Amino acid sequence: SQTIHQWPATLVQPVGSPLSLECTVEGTSNPNLYWYRQAAGRGLQLLFYSVGIGQISSEVPQNLSASRPQDRQFILSSKKLLLSDSGFYLCAWSGPGPENYMNTEAFFGQGTRLTVV
Amino acid sequence: AQSVTQLGSHVSVSEGALVLLRCNYSSSVPPYLFWYVQYPNQGLQLLLKYTSAATLVKGINGFEAEFKKSETSFHLTKPSAHMSDAAEYFCAVGLTQGGKLIFGQGTELSVKP
Repeated sequence: SQTIHQWPATLVQPVGSPLSLECTVEGTSNPNLYWYRQAAGRGLQLLFYSVGIGQISSEVPQNLSASRPQDRQFILSSKKLLLSDSGFYLCAWSGPGPENYMNTEAFFGQGTRLTVV
Repeated sequence: AQSVTQLGSHVSVSEGALVLLRCNYSSSVPPYLFWYVQYPNQGLQLLLKYTSAATLVKGINGFEAEFKKSETSFHLTKPSAHMSDAAEYFCAVGLTQGGKLIFGQGTELSVKP
């Protein structure tokens, strides 16, 4: 069966510090991978998605970046955190497919609560 | 462009009462629609999905949703609320680009004893 791991679960970082959140998927090959952010009291905003190694699409301009160094590994990074980067970050995967394919459901990790102080 | 609107950011029901969470979508192509549930400080769990096989979709934990094309709606219902149903619920539509999901703003469900 497929599983998704996301860590750390919570993180408190000072403004201006770097960030690295990691997500890995097991039990599937060539998944589509996603990073979402959920700000307090708000819905989910798609930040990045990837359909393959090294292929990253950004949905919104921001202080964050994403990378996919391996098929089942997805990393969210920042060189210098801002207060506005605080939120709940969720990694997700869905079945593989090309750019013009409407997916089935996405499966989510447990999330990382990031607080920038 | 595809979008999702959830009507009501907070819904409160009594235990044993009907649960109705509203979702309307906008899509230029036949949509794939989903309902997810999120418990505090956890990820999202799929409740059910509509993929055009049947308009009435049954999911986990006694929830179901009906796809109504004429009303562009996909409301989530449960006949009898349990205390354990208290959570946040998200409606989502699948996009054709990269298999992404667009989520509504979420509805927080409270269940009173």
